[in-house]
Amino acid sequence: GESVGLHLPTLSVQEGDNSIINCAYSNSASDYFIWYKQESGKGPQFIIDIRSNMDKRQGQRVTVLLNKTVKHLSLQIAATQPGDSAVYFCAESFGNEKLTFGTGTRLTIIP
Amino acid sequence: EPEVTQTPSHQVTQMGQEVILRCVPISNHLYFYWYRQILGQKVEFLVSFYNNEISEKSEIFDDQFSVERPDGSNFTLKIRSTKLEDSAMYFCATTTATNEKLFFGSGTQLSVL
Repeated sequence: GESVGLHLPTLSVQEGDNSIINCAYSNSASDYFIWYKQESGKGPQFIIDIRSNMDKRQGQRVTVLLNKTVKHLSLQIAATQPGDSAVYFCAESFGNEKLTFGTGTRLTIIP
Repeated sequence: EPEVTQTPSHQVTQMGQEVILRCVPISNHLYFYWYRQILGQKVEFLVSFYNNEISEKSEIFDDQFSVERPDGSNFTLKIRSTKLEDSAMYFCATTTATNEKLFFGSGTQLSVL
């Protein structure tokens, strides 16, 4: 079956710098994409989502970019803070089907 | 902000025993899901539930698994005869509609000995 995956399993960023977490997806029919943050021992927490009719969406300190041509999704976090340290998952779905999660990237913010 | 509530937070059981994991969805949500996450791995879909029936299930969700919403509020996942490989964090997630963001509970850590 098709799957969603991440390019890098770990990422370390200096506090205050910007970070970019990447995700490759393989289902070209997927029309909904979402980023979750998971802190240790907790459930996934929604960060931002985007639909396939858009290529960019911004939230508070976060931006999601969608490139449907190369089936690539990225999460940009501006001015990183220690509280941003977590595992970040991308997930995708098509139509009414369930969300399929990628492997995850561990982001570490260095003070 | 409304939350999905899961109980218990931790469950230890002997292999072969039955376990029931409980979830209280957010009140106006209509779609319910169970996912699981083995330590250090990605979040895996188990089952989705809508209008009192299963709408989709994964290969993991075999005959040992069942879900129900017995009293119109709690949404439960039952594992009839647990195996060692069932040890994982189990997450309940709910949403108002498909293709919308899922709200996840804090999970139940199941340990099968």
